[in-house]
Amino acid sequence: EDQVTQSPEALRLQEGESSSLNCSYTVSGLRGLFWYRQDPGKGPEFLFTLYSAGEEKEKERLKATLTKKESFLHITAPKPEDSATYLCAVQADNTGKLIFGQGTTLQVKP
Amino acid sequence: GAGVSQSPSNKVTEKGKDVELRCDPISGHTALYWYRQRLGQGLEFLIYFQGNSAPDKSGLPSDRFSAERTGESVSTLTIQRTQQEDSAVYLCASSRPGVYEQYFGPGTRLTVT
Repeated sequence: EDQVTQSPEALRLQEGESSSLNCSYTVSGLRGLFWYRQDPGKGPEFLFTLYSAGEEKEKERLKATLTKKESFLHITAPKPEDSATYLCAVQADNTGKLIFGQGTTLQVKP
Repeated sequence: GAGVSQSPSNKVTEKGKDVELRCDPISGHTALYWYRQRLGQGLEFLIYFQGNSAPDKSGLPSDRFSAERTGESVSTLTIQRTQQEDSAVYLCASSRPGVYEQYFGPGTRLTVT
């Protein structure tokens, strides 16, 4: 069964304190792994797509990496505005649906 | 350009009533998806449209749930005889041909009393 597990469930950081969020997955043929950001009361906002092991993508203070079993979202020198829930999802070959993890809720304190 | 839009943004209904939720995808996006997000839980896939056909309905939780789409445009998710466990945020997403990332709307918050 295709499955996504994210850890930790919640993370509190001081402004400037770098850290990483983990997304472990099992899928029968990975088409893509996706990271989204979700603010309270809003829909998920697309961040990155990763397609194959070894791939990395960066956007401002965020960097996503992918291995054959997991993905990391590295946050460098976070700011309070980075506070949100970060969602990881996978899409298997020959399917349209995304399978989501439960998310990691990040709080960055000034 | 305009993103995915959904209406209504909030809906409160009594148990046993039918509700219709609407999704307008991004122009030119041929694929459309419905997901459900219960309080404190992850997103659950409901149904996927490619054009106006639905190749994957595997996530619809019961026969009270149905959806249709007109061409490559608007989609409507209908829940009949609503139950309290149907309370959730219903999210719609769309994607372009040949591109896998999905872009989400703001969601409809459904509360069944």
